[in-house]
Amino acid sequence: QLVQSGAEVKKPGESLQISCKGSGYIFSDYWIGWVRQMPGKGLEWMGIVYPGDSDTIYSPPFKGQVTISADKSTSTAYLKWSSLKASDTAMFYCMRQGADSDDGFDVWGQGTMVIVSS
Amino acid sequence: EILLTQSPATLSVSPGERATLSCRASQSVASSLAWYQQKPGQAPRLLIYVTSTRATGIPARFSGSGSGTEFTLTISSLQSEDSAVYFCQQYKNWPSVTFGQGTRLEIK
Repeated sequence: QLVQSGAEVKKPGESLQISCKGSGYIFSDYWIGWVRQMPGKGLEWMGIVYPGDSDTIYSPPFKGQVTISADKSTSTAYLKWSSLKASDTAMFYCMRQGADSDDGFDVWGQGTMVIVSS
Repeated sequence: EILLTQSPATLSVSPGERATLSCRASQSVASSLAWYQQKPGQAPRLLIYVTSTRATGIPARFSGSGSGTEFTLTISSLQSEDSAVYFCQQYKNWPSVTFGQGTRLEIK
């Protein structure tokens, strides 16, 4: 399973890192992705990281806006902002890519709500 | 970027009837398409991958079909617990993926 860190309330300009801890499988063998879901909206793919070697790929709209990383020693993936904006307010989910690229995202975290407000 | 358009935006169907949800891609994704179900307050759940393969534990009343640019998720014999938003996702150029905007399924 994937267990995400708790909800956050932050001010614009603050930094934030949320986490996603895997268990029950070999964390370093599976890609972990992140999606954003703004209130009442659909799913936006942000990027993906391979914990085995930290290879990271970003969706163009999110490149430079967030940092995705993983620590295989603690089976944890991270999503980090250096300077939050009000428009970052959303629910964020991590998910595991199945063993093959054809397998879809087969395990999801419970989500982390981030609220950015002055 | 491959865009996915889902229709209808909202679908209202009676229990026991069949629901048909559509997903159209802006260019061919071959069979690289998945479907997810998201209930209120929950994370999405994988239903179908590679167009028509059910994920582990998904009931047989959920089925997927299509290829290229036109895809369908069919839910036969609807039950109340099927009320949710359904998203399609393409991964033709994995790891770059995109999601459709979702179809809200209401059970009358």
